[in-house]
Amino acid sequence: AQTVTQSQPEMSVQEAETVTLSCTYDTSESDYYLFWYKQPPSRQMILVIRQEAYKQQNATENRFSVNFQKAAKSFSLKISDSQLGDAAMYFCAYFYNNNDMRFGAGTRLTVKP
Amino acid sequence: KAGVTQTPRYLIKTRGQQVTLSCSPISGHRSVSWYQQTPGQGLQFLFEYFSETQRNKGNFPGRFSGRQFSNSRSEMNVSTLELGDSALYLCASSLGGGRYGYTFGSGTRLTVV
Repeated sequence: AQTVTQSQPEMSVQEAETVTLSCTYDTSESDYYLFWYKQPPSRQMILVIRQEAYKQQNATENRFSVNFQKAAKSFSLKISDSQLGDAAMYFCAYFYNNNDMRFGAGTRLTVKP
Repeated sequence: KAGVTQTPRYLIKTRGQQVTLSCSPISGHRSVSWYQQTPGQGLQFLFEYFSETQRNKGNFPGRFSGRQFSNSRSEMNVSTLELGDSALYLCASSLGGGRYGYTFGSGTRLTVV
């Protein structure tokens, strides 16, 4: 069964600095999708970034980028120029072939002014 | 474009009662997935409906059920409520599955007393 592991329950970063959140996953498939979601106190999960496993190029969305290491089954999220509004729970997720999306346990990110 | 709408936002029920939660997906989205989120267990998959048919089901007891209507709106029902059913229930919609990511609603916070 596919599992997603986020080993950092909490992280903190100074405003304007860079932080990296870690995620590893376990799968025997080769063609799948990976995501990072953000859940602020408002509770709504927001899609931050998406990566297709068959694409070697790392996805980037403005200040958010990923380091996708397929062989190592690693998918970390880098947030540059951190802002107060980035404070939230961040979830890494895996999806394959019309199965359910699997989520990690989450990392709580605190941004210090 | 309206987002995913979940009603009600908050609900308090007594043990043994039943409850129905509603989810209206983004217009045009045919897939609706339901997740239970608790501090201890994280995000756990309940079921997915696609074009009125249950496509995937998580590992929850039969007290948890759902359905999808022809307009793609979905409901989930929990019968004989237990204290452990207290959770945030999240609904997510997508065009045809999770490969492009889900759009989540703000959830229904269920408290069982």
